[in-house]
Amino acid sequence: DSGVTQTPKHLITATGQRVTLRCSPRSGDLSVYWYQQSLDQGLQFLIQYYNGEERAKGNILERFSAQQFPDLHSELNLSSLELGDSALYFCASSPPRGGRNEQFFGPGTRLTVL
Amino acid sequence: AQKVTQAQTEISVVEKEDVTLDCVYETRDTTYYLFWYKQPPSGELVFLIRRNSFDEQNEISGRYSWNFQKSTSSFNFTITASQVVDSAVYFCALTRPLTGTASKLTFGTGTRLQVTL
Repeated sequence: DSGVTQTPKHLITATGQRVTLRCSPRSGDLSVYWYQQSLDQGLQFLIQYYNGEERAKGNILERFSAQQFPDLHSELNLSSLELGDSALYFCASSPPRGGRNEQFFGPGTRLTVL
Repeated sequence: AQKVTQAQTEISVVEKEDVTLDCVYETRDTTYYLFWYKQPPSGELVFLIRRNSFDEQNEISGRYSWNFQKSTSSFNFTITASQVVDSAVYFCALTRPLTGTASKLTFGTGTRLQVTL
């Protein structure tokens, strides 16, 4: 158990809908990262937050947005869902000051868009 | 830009065989970190090892060993006497150090290892 929690574990929805994925980092970690794992794109970095502020952005679609709240949990919002958004979404967290550059991954949320 | 290549898409071995998973990386950074993660059928990503670019010592942990060669930009992973429980997808990843926080991971496409009896 990495200490990173993600909810829900599974999510099934329809095209055009909007969903919110939630992540709670390990105690004491200030950084939260979101990654998408899909069959055609592999594991891709989406976005990083550090202590409430956006720190880095990867290949994140405009239909997707994220935020990190004062209690450091983060939410990834996916809207106008398409079939191709079906994927496993991982959240990871890392210690302050980079630590050993390690990221600890949550169990993931499997999103299925029908 | 950083890039990680895992040329082996899928490997099948019989239990007790040794198997090596290849990883080749590209980066312009002089300081960087390399990782291996395991993704079993249950789907979670399990951290296996971290290596920084200054440390070229090979490492052994039980049946696992890692060979880091900066000259060939490779960070290969060997499982000795493989077991069925080793069946998983293995990912090699690369990151650059940032001040104050860890940086994003750039993953390879993964190697699916199937160990059969």
